[in-house]
Amino acid sequence: ELKVEQNPLFLSMQEGKNYTIYCNYSTTSDRLYWYRQDPGKSLESLFVLLSNGAVKQEGRLMASLDTKARLSTLHITAAVHDLSATYFCAVVSSGAGSYQLTFGKGTKLSVIP
Amino acid sequence: ETGVTQSPTHLIKTRGQQVTLRCSSQSGHNTVSWYQQALGQGPQFIFQYYREEENGRGNFPPRFSGLQFPNYSSELNVNALELDDSALYLCASSLVTLPAEFFGPGTRLTVL
Repeated sequence: ELKVEQNPLFLSMQEGKNYTIYCNYSTTSDRLYWYRQDPGKSLESLFVLLSNGAVKQEGRLMASLDTKARLSTLHITAAVHDLSATYFCAVVSSGAGSYQLTFGKGTKLSVIP
Repeated sequence: ETGVTQSPTHLIKTRGQQVTLRCSSQSGHNTVSWYQQALGQGPQFIFQYYREEENGRGNFPPRFSGLQFPNYSSELNVNALELDDSALYLCASSLVTLPAEFFGPGTRLTVL
């Protein structure tokens, strides 16, 4: 059974600081997603990482994937208040012609002015 | 916007009742997946539908069932509602060969 662990689960940081969220998963996968969720809202897709060593950046967020270590990171650079949200990683598992996403528990980020 | 729509937005039911949630897939997508997200948790996979048949199921009891229609839209039905069924229900549409990346806006179900 695929397990996905995120840490930290809660993160309070000051504006302007840098930090990294970690996502570990237990079995081989060739696709990993990062999502953002605002309170009461649905999931907004941020990044999809497809291969070992993949790195993607959008604004102050950068995601990377190490499939050998089964680890993905979401790095936040010079945080701003608008980045306050819950961030989820999700790993694809497939079998018998179907697939599913297994999510971590999420990291609730609060950026303090 | 992803092109995936869900209805209703919010729903309140009492324990023991039955509920039907609806999802319209993005144009060109033939697969619909449903997820349950309890408060403070990550979404959990319920099941997936492809060509009007269930094509994979998570660890949910049989009182969670679904349908997919020829136009690829889908319904999630939950019988004998329990308090723990209170959650945000999300659907995602995709091609069967490509995992879903985009989710609909969700239906918030409250069971009293």
